[in-house]
Amino acid sequence: GDSVTQMEGPVTLSEEAFLTINCTYTATGYPSLFWYVQYPGEGLQLLLKATKADDKGSNKGFEATYRKETTSFHLEKGSVQVSDSAVYFCALDRPTSGTYKYIFGTGTRLKVLA
Amino acid sequence: NAGVTQTPKFRVLKTGQSMTLLCAQDMNHEYMYWYRQDPGMGLRLIHYSVGEGTTAKGEVPDGYNVSRLKKQNFLLGLESAAPSQTSVYFCASSYSTGTYEQYFGPGTRLTVT
Repeated sequence: GDSVTQMEGPVTLSEEAFLTINCTYTATGYPSLFWYVQYPGEGLQLLLKATKADDKGSNKGFEATYRKETTSFHLEKGSVQVSDSAVYFCALDRPTSGTYKYIFGTGTRLKVLA
Repeated sequence: NAGVTQTPKFRVLKTGQSMTLLCAQDMNHEYMYWYRQDPGMGLRLIHYSVGEGTTAKGEVPDGYNVSRLKKQNFLLGLESAAPSQTSVYFCASSYSTGTYEQYFGPGTRLTVT
């Protein structure tokens, strides 16, 4: 069945370090891929998305490229800030006839130290 | 523009009690969802709705019921609460599926003793 696998956290980095959070997926067809971020005490909010192969989503310095050949959507940021400390969720949406298929990964906690 | 709101923010129940969680959205979205979030398990879909008057089961529907009598509201009910239902509950809405993002409420932290 469809699934999303994220690297386990927590990930602890110093400010200005390079960030990579790995995400791979299993799905038939052509899903859309998303990264959501959850700050402490809040709900999830969309960070970026990509809807077809080779698309690059970007927002707030974060980027992720939809790689169909490796079924991956890794999140990257060149220089993290303390304010980026949060939990990051990878997700996919695969439209299916008559049903709904939106799957979240388990989340990766990022802690950035000053 | 409030987005997605949830009521209440916190609740403590005793085993066997019942309660209803209310979700409201002001974005005129057709789709609404209820998730639960547990440590190490990410978000799991409980029930969802593709429009006013419709509901469908998600991944973990047992022990919960839902209703969507008005387009802007989606109610989640627990008829007889159990300790296994201790969790953080999130409501979300979206315009459609496929390429559309979901908008989340702030969550309800429920503890069942």
